[in-house]
Amino acid sequence: DGGITQSPKYLFRKEGQNVTLSCEQNLNHDAMYWYRQDPGQGLRLIYYSQIVNDFQKGDIAEGYSVSREKKESFPLTVTSAQKNPTAFYLCASREGQGVGQPQHFGDGTRLSIL
Amino acid sequence: AQSVTQLGSHVSVSEGALVLLRCNYSSSVPPYLFWYVQYPNQGLQLLLKYTTGATLVKGINGFEAEFKKSETSFHLTKPSAHMSDAAEYFCAVSGGGATNKLIFGTGTLLAVQP
Repeated sequence: DGGITQSPKYLFRKEGQNVTLSCEQNLNHDAMYWYRQDPGQGLRLIYYSQIVNDFQKGDIAEGYSVSREKKESFPLTVTSAQKNPTAFYLCASREGQGVGQPQHFGDGTRLSIL
Repeated sequence: AQSVTQLGSHVSVSEGALVLLRCNYSSSVPPYLFWYVQYPNQGLQLLLKYTTGATLVKGINGFEAEFKKSETSFHLTKPSAHMSDAAEYFCAVSGGGATNKLIFGTGTLLAVQP
């Protein structure tokens, strides 16, 4: 079955530690996205990538970094510079190149601070 | 620029009653509109989308939405609520363009009472 796989489902970070969230898709989608979800705030865009080896900052990129070395993979690193990392993180990919195409989401990673 | 307003962060209906979740958008270009559903600790699932053409859009699980340009609205309805409809619902808008970025509303949590 094609889809988006995020791992791990739950992640704990210690103070001063960087952690990496995995996102893999086998849908052959070019564009991929990372969102942060906080209660009552909807989804906010962290980073997005439209093609391999290219990515752009979203609305809340500070304290985060990404890479896009393969079409299938778009890992997100939450660095120690992100002072409030506790949230639910969602990865998405978009079908096709045309305008108005929907995004499809993974099941998320919940990050908490120890 | 685009924005989305979802009126009512919590909506409660009885099983079998009409479901109406409100979404108003702002867009400087013709919008592409989406409704997504999220069950606890899961990702977002696409319910339906409006791109162009027919203004009444039918989606999965018996939901539909009507695009009303004059009212800048895209309300989600279902004639008869089922217990399994209890979830959080997000409206999103995209102006298309090169990035196809989605702007999400803050969500409406639907409770279904027996």
